[in-house]
This record gives sequence, C-alpha cells and structure tokens, in this order.
Amino acid sequence: NFMLTQPHSVSESPGKTVTISCTGSSGSIASNYVQWYQQRPGSAPTTVIYEDNQRPSGVPDRFSGSIDSSSNSASLTISGLKTEDEADYYCQSYDSSTPYVFGTGTKVTVL
Amino acid sequence: EVQLVESGGGLVQPGGSLRLSCAASGFTFSSYAMSWVRQAPGKGLEWVSAISGSGGSTYYADSVKGRFTISRDNSKNTLYLQMNSLRAEDTAVYYCAKEVWSDPLGYFDYWGQGTLVTVSS
Repeated sequence: NFMLTQPHSVSESPGKTVTISCTGSSGSIASNYVQWYQQRPGSAPTTVIYEDNQRPSGVPDRFSGSIDSSSNSASLTISGLKTEDEADYYCQSYDSSTPYVFGTGTKVTVL
Repeated sequence: EVQLVESGGGLVQPGGSLRLSCAASGFTFSSYAMSWVRQAPGKGLEWVSAISGSGGSTYYADSVKGRFTISRDNSKNTLYLQMNSLRAEDTAVYYCAKEVWSDPLGYFDYWGQGTLVTVSS
C-alpha cells in the first residue's frame, strides 16, 4: 500500500522558516498531485496548498508547496512563522487503488 | 457559504451499529463527490469512504470494507455512513468532507466539524 511519511514534529521561532517533508513509499510522488492541510487543535482540517503548489484564496503567501522528484518527496514551507501557524499539518495524495492517502502528520510548534 | 454539519455520533457497544449523517448547504450537492474521513483520539487523519456526486460509485478503505456503507440523498443534500459490526478501533471523530470534483479524484476544499463515535462496552 502506498504511504506518505512525514516528520513527527518540527519547531522554530517566530519569524523563521520551517519546511515539512512528505515522502512517498513507492512510485513517483510527482505523478499525482499533493495537497497540504492544516489542523489547529480542536478544529477540522483546512486546505493550505492544493495541486502541489497552489494556494486557496485567503491562505497567505507565507505558505508554499513544492515537489522534489529526486527524493520522491513533497514539501510545505512556512516562512515568517507566526504563533497562529502552530498546528498539525498533513500531506495528501492518491494512488491507483486508493483515492485519498494522508501523510502521517507533522506537529509544528512555534517556540 | 458552504456548510457541512455531521450528526449521529455517540457511544455504541462493540458489534453494534450506527448511522452518521452530514447535512450540506451552500453548494450544488449532487455535483461533488463526498467523503468520510476519521481521526482516532490523538492520531492522524484516515480516509474511510467516498461516493461520487451521482452516487453511482463508492469507494472504501480496506479497514472498513464490508462493514460500512456510504450513501447519499441528493434530494435532501445529505450524506450518510452506515456503520455495522463496530470495533473499538473505529472510535474516532468522523468528518464529512467535500471534494472539488464530481468523482474522488483530487482533494477536499470543505470539511465539517466532525462527530465523535465511541465504541466501548
């Protein structure tokens, strides 16, 4: 089964930049779009990046997404960190047998 | 404004059944695929089941196949999840989520607030 692996947690100070990786277990991650969801404590997820690098309206341009085929991974970068960015982040893609595969999730802590 | 409101969660004994509902508003319900996604306490997101906009195609995670049934009533703008033979490991918050396409091909742009299902004796 296709899996997406993320680091368990990352932390950084306000104003700094963090990057979260999402590594595919097989195949080419570049073959299917990757999305990123933010989930603040006690709330439902919201989309921060769709189709690898697109931002929904209302999401600040501090959030960006990219694909690195050489490492078979996607990345979410948050620049100019704010305390409000403290949340869990999940990548999501799909494969031929499963329409939605979520990553393991990363807790972002703003120190 | 898009709204998704789940209901039907609660405490159920192992082996029991429960039916979840998701009332949708603010968009043309029949034009979009819908899914159920769950999150066990302190754990990550797990996709459970999806249904196409017409209701003609359904999809299930292996963990629930044969026990859960997804359906929709486009005349009532409502999504359902019938859960049978419930197990302790089905304990989770269940979210209703809207797809951006009429088939489950992409991603979710709206989520409900979730309903808690607890399976325990």
